[in-house]
Amino acid sequence: DGGITQSPKYLFRKEGQNVTLSCEQNLNHDAMYWYRQDPGQGLRLIYYSQIVNDFQKGDIAEGYSVSREKKESFPLTVTSAQKNPTAFYLCASTTLASQYNEQFFGPGTRLTVL
Amino acid sequence: AQSVTQLDSQVPVFEEAPVELRCNYSSSVSVYLFWYVQYPNQGLQLLLKYLSGSTLVKGINGFEAEFNKSQTSFHLRKPSVHISDTAEYFCAAINTGGFKTIFGAGTRLFVKA
Repeated sequence: DGGITQSPKYLFRKEGQNVTLSCEQNLNHDAMYWYRQDPGQGLRLIYYSQIVNDFQKGDIAEGYSVSREKKESFPLTVTSAQKNPTAFYLCASTTLASQYNEQFFGPGTRLTVL
Repeated sequence: AQSVTQLDSQVPVFEEAPVELRCNYSSSVSVYLFWYVQYPNQGLQLLLKYLSGSTLVKGINGFEAEFNKSQTSFHLRKPSVHISDTAEYFCAAINTGGFKTIFGAGTRLFVKA
């Protein structure tokens, strides 16, 4: 079955550590996105990528970094510069061949800073 | 789309009652509109979408939504809810030809027995 996988489901980080969240899709989608979700704030865009080896900052990119070395993979690193990283992180993808760019979401990773 | 506003943060309703979740958007260009559902600790699933044509769109699980261009609204309705509909619902919009989807803050639907 095609879909998006995110790992791990739960992640605990000590202050000052960098951690990397995995996102893989086998939908052959061109574009991939990372969102952060906090209670009552909806989804906020961190980074997105339309093609391999290219990505753009979203609305809240500070303290985060990404790479897009393969079409299927779009890992997100939460660096120690991110002041309040505890949140639910969602990865999504879409095909640019679609006129309306409906997004498909992974199951999410819950990150907690200890 | 410049913004998406979901007018209710929480909606409690009894089982088998009808429900409406309200969504307004602002945009200077044409938009595509979506409703997504999120169950606890899961990702978002698409309920329905409006692209063009008929203003009443039907989705999964008995939900439907009506696009009203003059009122810039896209309210979600279900005539009879079930306990299993308890979840968070997100309205979203993207400009036609655009790339970034704008999400509302979400409405938490709580169905009581």
